[in-house]
Amino acid sequence: AQKVTQAQTEISVVEKEDVTLDCVYETRDTTYYLFWYKQPPSGELVFLIRRNSFDEQNEISGRYSWNFQKSTSSFNFTITASQVVDSAVYFCALSGYRGSTLGRLYFGRGTQLTVWP
Amino acid sequence: DGGITQSPKYLFRKEGQNVTLSCEQNLNHDAMYWYRQDPGQGLRLIYYSQIVNDFQKGDIAEGYSVSREKKESFPLTVTSAQKNPTAFYLCASETAGAYNEQFFGPGTRLTVL
Repeated sequence: AQKVTQAQTEISVVEKEDVTLDCVYETRDTTYYLFWYKQPPSGELVFLIRRNSFDEQNEISGRYSWNFQKSTSSFNFTITASQVVDSAVYFCALSGYRGSTLGRLYFGRGTQLTVWP
Repeated sequence: DGGITQSPKYLFRKEGQNVTLSCEQNLNHDAMYWYRQDPGQGLRLIYYSQIVNDFQKGDIAEGYSVSREKKESFPLTVTSAQKNPTAFYLCASETAGAYNEQFFGPGTRLTVL
């Protein structure tokens, strides 16, 4: 069974603080993909990152970084020097790989991040 | 501009009425998906379609129906059998390939009065 757990329902920080959003996943697939999406108040999901199961290198994109650890089945997301515009709901998601297409996405329940000025 | 269109943004219906939510994409994507989002629940898969004229049930298909007559369109009908239809509905599309991702539309917020 595929499952994604985001244990943090809500997080509040003050601007310029660093914040880490946790994601733990379960899967029996050997090939799978992990995603992070951002959902601002407007509602549309914005793709942030995709990582496949064979690539455990950490990734940094500006103030965003991701730590993928297969040993603990975790794919955590850190925002450095948070800004008010980072306030949103963040979703972690998991997908298997079915030949030439990804399988369906399994989403965690999301973490509401509020950054106060 | 290429993208996914969902209309309308807000939709109100009386209880017992069927309602159809529109989803159109001009990205030439093969697969399309419908998700439902409730507060604190994350996104749950309703239906998905990998090719035209074919679709599969997701985790919460009861009370919903879909069609896929054209590659660009994947309308979702919320029927009167859906017991709690008030929610935020998101449509997504995805193209085949090893490095694909799902692109999401802006969503439709359905309120049943």
